[in-house]
Amino acid sequence: DIQMTQSPSSLSASVGDRVTITCRTSQGIRNDLGWYQQKPGKAPQRLIYAASSLQGGAPSRFSGSGSGTEFTLTISSLQPEDFATYYCQQYNTFPITFGPGTKVDFK
Amino acid sequence: EVQLVESGGGLVQPGGSLRLSCLASGFTFSNAWMTWVRQAPGRGLEWVGRLKSNIDGGSTDYAASVKGRFIISRDDSKDTLFLQMDSLKTEDTAVYYCTTVRFLVEYWGQGTPVTVSS
Repeated sequence: DIQMTQSPSSLSASVGDRVTITCRTSQGIRNDLGWYQQKPGKAPQRLIYAASSLQGGAPSRFSGSGSGTEFTLTISSLQPEDFATYYCQQYNTFPITFGPGTKVDFK
Repeated sequence: EVQLVESGGGLVQPGGSLRLSCLASGFTFSNAWMTWVRQAPGRGLEWVGRLKSNIDGGSTDYAASVKGRFIISRDDSKDTLFLQMDSLKTEDTAVYYCTTVRFLVEYWGQGTPVTVSS
């Protein structure tokens, strides 16, 4: 199975901050990676697919980059509604695997 | 509007069985590849398995943790996806979500909770 790591596991930030989350995979996955946001008690929502494509309806302050084994999710200017947990997911190889998550909370 | 509504969750004893349903609307269900994802309490997301559309062969793929115990199936006449769960273990306790992608947008249901406990 492809192992996923995310860093940091949690971070504290303020509204307006630029936030970057990194996801690394144990083997190359081209750009077969998605990013998800999940709020407590809610289903996850995909923000990014194919490493850098913004899903329709997702705010443009979210962006993704990377290929191969290292990927980043950037929030250009953190908004109050962005405090949540973020997961990366690889879909290059079965079984599909998720990263352990990064919790973004208030500083 | 695409909607996915899961049902069938509940409390079951270890070794027992449960069948979850996911009723789809707002899109042509028979063309869709469908996926189950679960989340144990306080834990991250775990992919459970995927079912292709019958037009694309109708094959399934499963996570190792559920292979041989869980079966994903569909009834296109009822726009419904199923997850048959047998030989349940306490570690299967989770909220179970069905998901699909239509025109590059991924949709999730609200989830249905399953508790495996004696």
